[in-house]
Amino acid sequence: KAGVTQTPRYLIKTRGQQVTLSCSPISGHRSVSWYQQTPGQGLQFLFEYFSETQRNKGNFPGRFSGRQFSNSRSEMNVSTLELGDSALYLCASSLALAGSETQYFGPGTRLLVL
Amino acid sequence: AQSVTQPDIHITVSEGASLELRCNYSYGATPYLFWYVQSPGQGLQLLLKYFSGDTLVQGIKGFEAEFKRSQSSFNLRKPSVHWSDAAEYFCAVVNYGGSQGNLIFGKGTKLSVKP
Repeated sequence: KAGVTQTPRYLIKTRGQQVTLSCSPISGHRSVSWYQQTPGQGLQFLFEYFSETQRNKGNFPGRFSGRQFSNSRSEMNVSTLELGDSALYLCASSLALAGSETQYFGPGTRLLVL
Repeated sequence: AQSVTQPDIHITVSEGASLELRCNYSYGATPYLFWYVQSPGQGLQLLLKYFSGDTLVQGIKGFEAEFKRSQSSFNLRKPSVHWSDAAEYFCAVVNYGGSQGNLIFGKGTKLSVKP
């Protein structure tokens, strides 16, 4: 069974632009969670989607948003990019809501904001 | 609020030596605990997990971890380290504050392996 896939793997943007990242979960998994990883803050939870609804949200500004499609694929959008948004963005999928299920991570999308 | 502490930022061991990576958590009830490993430029790979039951958990790549409620710990061990184990290791706990369910991660322990 294929693992979690994320596209693109690398991205360079400039301040003020917006970006959309994509995540395809493991087949059959219905929950997708997003995390941001930076050297300073470590791994931080962004949000979780289950059945096309945001179920859970971390402490990030409204510039960070996401959505989930009927096939469980998810996208994450960051508007008005700031230098501090440079990070590795990781997507994780689980069979059901993440609280009671194991999360499996993708390879991540590395975003560099110049 | 729940938290995870990995006291060691960087550990160096010789190939063939034993390894123990420390993880302490804060949570009142029985936590769901995980260890993940991350190689440079890669995502997180699940090593093992603890939900309930036997407190000694076996994982992939020869790793094991022991849940000790009295010490609020979930230390990762391996009897003999291989050069390919060099990576960063993350301990995580499921966040049950406010019906959340996301993972709370420690800051990670970077493992270097000497030949």
